[in-house]
Amino acid sequence: DTAVSQTPKYLVTQMGNDKSIKCEQNLGHDTMYWYKQDSKKFLKIMFSYNNKELIINETVPNRFSPKSPDKAHLNLHINSLELGDSAVYFCASSLATGGYEQYFGPGTRLTVT
Amino acid sequence: AQKVTQAQTEISVVEKEDVTLDCVYETRDTTYYLFWYKQPPSGELVFLIRRNSFDEQNEISGRYSWNFQKSTSSFNFTITASQVVDSAVYFCALKSVPGGSYIPTFGRGTSLIVHP
Repeated sequence: DTAVSQTPKYLVTQMGNDKSIKCEQNLGHDTMYWYKQDSKKFLKIMFSYNNKELIINETVPNRFSPKSPDKAHLNLHINSLELGDSAVYFCASSLATGGYEQYFGPGTRLTVT
Repeated sequence: AQKVTQAQTEISVVEKEDVTLDCVYETRDTTYYLFWYKQPPSGELVFLIRRNSFDEQNEISGRYSWNFQKSTSSFNFTITASQVVDSAVYFCALKSVPGGSYIPTFGRGTSLIVHP
């Protein structure tokens, strides 16, 4: 059973389009995250939700909108895609906020042409 | 502000060599947590270890060992008798408590290449 899953694994789209990435965890964790990993492998946190409540919102363009329908799901919607949005997006979860380790999904490679 | 520095961008070794990956962190908080994650060529990120700021005991797990020293703000990772399967990007990460939030900060990663 996959602990943290993301769909799709690959996403190729044109500039200006809107797309969504879905994430689900079956670990029973309370906290979920979205990260962006650029071409140089730099990992940057974008958002975090704890029990469906937004708790971390880093300096991300407001074209990015996360949604957590329940604590097992965290989706990421991106409007008006730009070339610079091309990256690998990772979803992760942890037992709770605090000093718990994170478990990552397999990543979604987004390519904007 | 918190920061994690992994000064070694890339390390290349031959199988069976020992290798140490450095991690230096900065935080003003007295309560914090340090982590190491592995990202093999397949791309997934795998949790390896967690340490809290009150526990400076070193840890050994098979060929892996971790040395946490608060005096030098370092949390180094050593692989003994490296193997080709150890080839990956390794990330050191920090979570501290500025104002009650636990924002994870990752270092830029060290790419380890183990040659047969």
